[in-house]
Amino acid sequence: DTAVSQTPKYLVTQMGNDKSIKCEQNLGHDTMYWYKQDSKKFLKIMFSYNNKELIINETVPNRFSPKSPDKAHLNLHINSLELGDSAVYFCASSQEAIQVAFFGQGTRLTVV
Amino acid sequence: KQEVTQIPAALSVPEGENLVLNCSFTDSAIYNLQWFRQDPGKGLTSLLLIQSSQREQTSGRLNASLDKSSGRSTLYIAASQPGDSATYLCVSSNTDKLIFGTGTRLQVFP
Repeated sequence: DTAVSQTPKYLVTQMGNDKSIKCEQNLGHDTMYWYKQDSKKFLKIMFSYNNKELIINETVPNRFSPKSPDKAHLNLHINSLELGDSAVYFCASSQEAIQVAFFGQGTRLTVV
Repeated sequence: KQEVTQIPAALSVPEGENLVLNCSFTDSAIYNLQWFRQDPGKGLTSLLLIQSSQREQTSGRLNASLDKSSGRSTLYIAASQPGDSATYLCVSSNTDKLIFGTGTRLQVFP
């Protein structure tokens, strides 16, 4: 069983489109995250939710909006996609915000 | 602001060698420090977690140490194998954030 699953694994889309990436965890964790891996392979946190409430919101464009319908899901919606949004996006979860995090396999987003 | 740096950025060694990967962090007020490995297309796998009150953790051929006062952690890999080839990430937990290091890309050749 996959602990943290993201869909889709690959996403190619045109500039200006709106797209969503879904994330689900079956670990019963309270905290979920979205990370962006930049061209230098460095992971940067974007958002963190604890029990469906936003607790971290780093400086990201407001075109990015996380949605947490329940504590097992944290979806990432991106409006008006730009070329610079091309990256690998990782979802993660942990029992508490500072404990070991389990990561999904990543979604490679390519904006053309 | 916490910064996490890893040295070396890349390492290529023959099978069987013992390795040390280094991680340094600027803010010693961490809750814990984790080591992950990242395999292409397979996401991240947690290897070891050291709580701030601990000095080291061991799992199989892996040993991670933590020295908060000097802002350093090391990952020791004994008797390296080709299957150890991956990118290794050091991650610090500060308050409610995970701060990832710059990574060390390891290649172990037969």
